[in-house]
Amino acid sequence: KAGVTQTPRYLIKTRGQQVTLSCSPISGHRSVSWYQQTPGQGLQFLFEYFSETQRNKGNFPGRFSGRQFSNSRSEMNVSTLELGDSALYLCASSPGQVNTEAFFGQGTRLTVV
Amino acid sequence: AQSVAQPEDQVNVAEGNPLTVKCTYSVSGNPYLFWYVQYPNRGLQFLLKYITGDNLVKGSYGFEAEFNKSQTSFHLKKPSALVSDSALYFCAVSAVRGSSNTGKLIFGQGTTLQVKP
Repeated sequence: KAGVTQTPRYLIKTRGQQVTLSCSPISGHRSVSWYQQTPGQGLQFLFEYFSETQRNKGNFPGRFSGRQFSNSRSEMNVSTLELGDSALYLCASSPGQVNTEAFFGQGTRLTVV
Repeated sequence: AQSVAQPEDQVNVAEGNPLTVKCTYSVSGNPYLFWYVQYPNRGLQFLLKYITGDNLVKGSYGFEAEFNKSQTSFHLKKPSALVSDSALYFCAVSAVRGSSNTGKLIFGQGTTLQVKP
């Protein structure tokens, strides 16, 4: 069974630009969550989607948004990029029940210059 | 606020010795508890979880964890460490909204485990 696939793996963007990251979950998984990992703040929850609906949301500004498609694939978008948005963005998929473990992708390393 | 604490930034242990990586949490109700491991330039890999039942849970690669409700702790253990266990370890709990667990995970800051030959 293929794992969680995130594209692209690396991205360099300029301040003020916007970026879209993609995540393909494990086949059959209906929940996709996104996390931001930075050396200073650690792992922080962005949002979770389940069956195309946002089920949970973290404490990030409105510049961060996401969506999930009918095939469970998910995208997250960051608009008006700031230097502080440089991070590893991790996507995790799970079947959907909250007592099941999440499986993480390798992440997208975003650098904002 | 709901939170997870991993009090040690780094744990050093000799190969073959037992290891413990500590985790305490501050979440009301009955959260689900997880341990993940991260190798350089990789995502997180699931090790084990506690949902309910026996306080000692066994997971991948010989790891186990002990849940202690009164101390709100979930320490990761392994009887005999390997050099290949060297990595970054994260404790996580499911956030609770009202009286229900959610799919949102709250992570500790991580503990670097260094196993020396």
